[in-house]
Amino acid sequence: AQSVTQLGSHVSVSEGALVLLRCNYSSSVPPYLFWYVQYPNQGLQLLLKYTSAATLVKGINGFEAEFKKSETSFHLTKPSAHMSDAAEYFCAANTGGFKTIFGAGTRLFVKA
Amino acid sequence: DVKVTQSSRYLVKRTGEKVFLECVQDMDHENMFWYRQDPGLGLRLIYFSYDVKMKEKGDIPEGYSVSREKKERFSLILESASTNQTSMYLCASSSPNREQGQPQHFGDGTRLSIL
Repeated sequence: AQSVTQLGSHVSVSEGALVLLRCNYSSSVPPYLFWYVQYPNQGLQLLLKYTSAATLVKGINGFEAEFKKSETSFHLTKPSAHMSDAAEYFCAANTGGFKTIFGAGTRLFVKA
Repeated sequence: DVKVTQSSRYLVKRTGEKVFLECVQDMDHENMFWYRQDPGLGLRLIYFSYDVKMKEKGDIPEGYSVSREKKERFSLILESASTNQTSMYLCASSSPNREQGQPQHFGDGTRLSIL
């Protein structure tokens, strides 16, 4: 069965530090992969998506993610955290059907 | 700009009431979804629809029903609200474009409290 695991429900970084949010997927076929961001009291907004065109995917707000098939991972990174990056981040996978599977989410805290 | 609009941001209802949550999208998407979001549990799919008048159960359909009479509108119905249905409800839509992986577009959510 398809599943998405996000390692760490909470991650705290200092402003200017590297952001690394981890995501692993389990799927019998290579999935399409997504990262979404949710700011307080808002819905989810698409950050970036992997659709097999390139393994390194760049998204909005300086985020990027790398698809590693051998590790079944799709970790999200940003070189330098900003206070405005504080939010909850969701990794998600779709194997071509109607349903998308979401991870449980990682809340990012950014310290001044 | 593409838009998914949920009719209420905050809603307070009483146990036993019939509750309607409305969602409208302006992207001409075939697929629409209802999720509930609870702390530590992520998003859980309640129902989805891939066409007008078509609906499929998601992972947690008990206590809910849906209606899709028009392509742009997808309604979630709590037949008899209970306190364990207090949650954030998110509506989403997507185009069935398999090459793009069908990314979903979300509304801002309805925070529903059942007293």
